[in-house]
Amino acid sequence: KAGVTQTPRYLIKTRGQQVTLSCSPISGHRSVSWYQQTPGQGLQFLFEYFSETQRNKGNFPGRFSGRQFSNSRSEMNVSTLELGDSALYLCASSWTDLTNEKLFFGSGTQLSVL
Amino acid sequence: SQQGEEDPQALSIQEGENATMNCSYKTSINNLQWYRQNSGRGLVHLILIRSNEREKHSGRLRVTLDTSKKSSSLLITASRAADTASYFCATDGTGGFKTIFGAGTRLFVKA
Repeated sequence: KAGVTQTPRYLIKTRGQQVTLSCSPISGHRSVSWYQQTPGQGLQFLFEYFSETQRNKGNFPGRFSGRQFSNSRSEMNVSTLELGDSALYLCASSWTDLTNEKLFFGSGTQLSVL
Repeated sequence: SQQGEEDPQALSIQEGENATMNCSYKTSINNLQWYRQNSGRGLVHLILIRSNEREKHSGRLRVTLDTSKKSSSLLITASRAADTASYFCATDGTGGFKTIFGAGTRLFVKA
């Protein structure tokens, strides 16, 4: 069974641009969560989607948005990029949105904003 | 905001020694999980312990949970160079968040 797939693996953008990251969960998983990882802030929760509905959202500005499709694939979008958005963006999937489930992570998208 | 905080931030040991990492959290939890991350990659789930459990084992891993102190520890016995990674504790979050991660402990095992 294929794992969680994130594309692209690396991305370089300039300030003010927008970016879309993609995540394909493990087949059958309906929950997708997104995290931002930086050396200074650690892993910060962005949002979670379950069956195409956003269930939870972290403390990030409205420039960060996401969606989930009927096949459970998810995208996150960051508009008007800032230097501080440079980070490793990780996607994780699980069968349900219950918190006693383990998360399966993708390898992440490394975003660099110049 | 982060729910869990790991201690120490970094740990360097020799192969064969035991490694102990601690995690403290702020609010009541239903369960606590430990994950490992190799440099620049995704996290891998290691073990989950529920709030009504005190200790759990998985291979060379031993996890304890003390809900009265709001703390957990992860013990890796007979460490190997391949155990070099960052280790994170994660709890079911507050305020509607799903799973909240701590800042992690960076473990370096010298061969």
